[in-house]
Amino acid sequence: SQQGEEDPQALSIQEGENATMNCSYKTSINNLQWYRQNSGRGLVHLILIRSNEREKHSGRLRVTLDTSKKSSSLLITASRAADTASYFCATDLTGNQFYFGTGTSLTVIP
Amino acid sequence: EPEVTQTPSHQVTQMGQEVILRCVPISNHLYFYWYRQILGQKVEFLVSFYNNEISEKSEIFDDQFSVERPDGSNFTLKIRSTKLEDSAMYFCASSTFSGNTIYFGEGSWLTVV
Repeated sequence: SQQGEEDPQALSIQEGENATMNCSYKTSINNLQWYRQNSGRGLVHLILIRSNEREKHSGRLRVTLDTSKKSSSLLITASRAADTASYFCATDLTGNQFYFGTGTSLTVIP
Repeated sequence: EPEVTQTPSHQVTQMGQEVILRCVPISNHLYFYWYRQILGQKVEFLVSFYNNEISEKSEIFDDQFSVERPDGSNFTLKIRSTKLEDSAMYFCASSTFSGNTIYFGEGSWLTVV
């Protein structure tokens, strides 16, 4: 299966702390995307990282990609209560079909 | 900021009934997608659509499902005869090109009773 798998499944931290979530996948990819989902809501795109990139930043978000280990990490720095959500990685094989993992449920305690 | 819009936000239907879920992708996007998420489970790919035809589909997208772009702005998913297990959140998405960022709508909750 191509599916990305995130770990941990659940993460609870204090506001202001950093949160790190990991994603592992099984086969070669063209790119990997991270999404956030608040309960019962749509998927909000965070960052796309291509297979020839190793690191990308967007505001408080930092994503790394290690294609040799078939893994990616999402770091949220200085977390806020509003960051509470589920975070998913999505990997593609063909560019049209993305596979989502089961997600990491992040709780940021004020 | 442009966004993908979906209607209805929630629909309850009886088993065996036909359902059409509607989506308006972002206007300059060329690729359109449907994904679904059964409650508590992962987001699953259903189908991708480009140049007025299906480009890829998953095993979930069987003969009960069909997609259509009836005009220049709408993109629809039809479920011909709904089953209980079709109950899920259905997400429409679009992207400019294959392999680019995919933008999702807020989803349509479908409850089959």
